[in-house]
Amino acid sequence: AIRITQSPSSLSASTGDRVTITCRASQGISSYLAWYQQKPGKAPKLLIYAASTLQSGVPSRFSGSGSGTDFTLTISCLQSEDFATYYCQQYYSYPLTFGGGTKVEIK
Amino acid sequence: EVQLVESGGGLVQPGGSLRLSCAASGFTFSSYDMHWVRQATGKGLEWVSAIGTAGDTYYPGSVKGRFTISRENAKNSLYLQMNSLRAGDTAVYYCARVWGVGYGMDVWGQGTTVTVSS
Repeated sequence: AIRITQSPSSLSASTGDRVTITCRASQGISSYLAWYQQKPGKAPKLLIYAASTLQSGVPSRFSGSGSGTDFTLTISCLQSEDFATYYCQQYYSYPLTFGGGTKVEIK
Repeated sequence: EVQLVESGGGLVQPGGSLRLSCAASGFTFSSYDMHWVRQATGKGLEWVSAIGTAGDTYYPGSVKGRFTISRENAKNSLYLQMNSLRAGDTAVYYCARVWGVGYGMDVWGQGTTVTVSS
């Protein structure tokens, strides 16, 4: 199975900050990577797929980059509603695997 | 409105069985791959199973041979039959849809809770 290492596991940031989260795959996955946002008690929400394609309705302050083994999610100007946990997920091959998550907390 | 609604969760003893359902509405269910993803309390997301539009199925090693995913397109429904349940299967179970290769899970249900305990 492809392992996805996500970092950091948590971070503290202020509104307006630029935030970067990274995922590294244990083998090349081309651009078959998605990013999700999850708030407590809620289902995950798709933010980005194909490593860099913004899902419809997602604010443009979210962006994704990378291919192969290294990927990045960037929130350009953190808003209050962005405090949540973020997960990456590879869908290059089965079994599908998720990163461990990054909890973005208020500083 | 595009919607997925899970049901069937509950408390079951170790070794027992449970069948989860996911009712789809607002889209052409038969055109989408469907997945189950679970999340134990305070833990991350874990992919559980998938079924393609042609009925092809996929599982991780942790549930293979114990869980069976199926779909009934005429009823716009997805199922997960879970047998030989263990305490480690305790989690919120979500169903989610995927348009096809190259896309993420863009619609999720609200989840149903499965608790395996004596």
